[in-house]
Amino acid sequence: EPEVTQTPSHQVTQMGQEVILRCVPISNHLYFYWYRQILGQKVEFLVSFYNNEISEKSEIFDDQFSVERPDGSNFTLKIRSTKLEDSAMYFCASSKGTSGTPPDEQFFGPGTRLTVL
Amino acid sequence: GEDVEQSLFLSVREGDSSVINCTYTDSSSTYLYWYKQEPGAGLQLLTYIFSNMDMKQDQRLTVLLNKKDKHLSLRIADTQTGDSAIYFCAETTGGFKTIFGAGTRLFVKA
Repeated sequence: EPEVTQTPSHQVTQMGQEVILRCVPISNHLYFYWYRQILGQKVEFLVSFYNNEISEKSEIFDDQFSVERPDGSNFTLKIRSTKLEDSAMYFCASSKGTSGTPPDEQFFGPGTRLTVL
Repeated sequence: GEDVEQSLFLSVREGDSSVINCTYTDSSSTYLYWYKQEPGAGLQLLTYIFSNMDMKQDQRLTVLLNKKDKHLSLRIADTQTGDSAIYFCAETTGGFKTIFGAGTRLFVKA
């Protein structure tokens, strides 16, 4: 069964460094998403991406963050100048982009745990 | 703003029913969802309900929606040890963004 994969599973970085989190969405999906979950808190929407553009983003997704689909398979989240409070689990998701009922199901990857020291 | 709240822990005995509750604030929600997360895995969509429905049953799962009170519940009948996981309530308003709760950790005692 196709699945969303993410690498690495755990990333440790020093404050101020840049990190790139990688995701391989399901191959025939058209919409891609990033979410994050700070330990013990809610899963928070960061950004959605379609047709090589950001389609929606949250207030969290400021200039420190960027997303890219560098080739036909990868979808990346770049965090520049990481802060301690960026430590979280980051989930990638993808969906086909269907409308109506049933809703467009988002398939999630297992997450990348980012630890900023 | 949009918010989804759920209790953090629930413990039940194997064979009992589990009821996980959730409240949300956005009255324009179109779909409400229950996701399951097992250790080391991503979020898996368990079931959803459209906002104009009151109830949906899917095998051992029953979803109840009280739109007036903005209350959603997930009932798992005959809970098994394999049901131990974190269950997330979530909503969308028709856009791309899904708003999640913090998750309820379900412990099933044998």
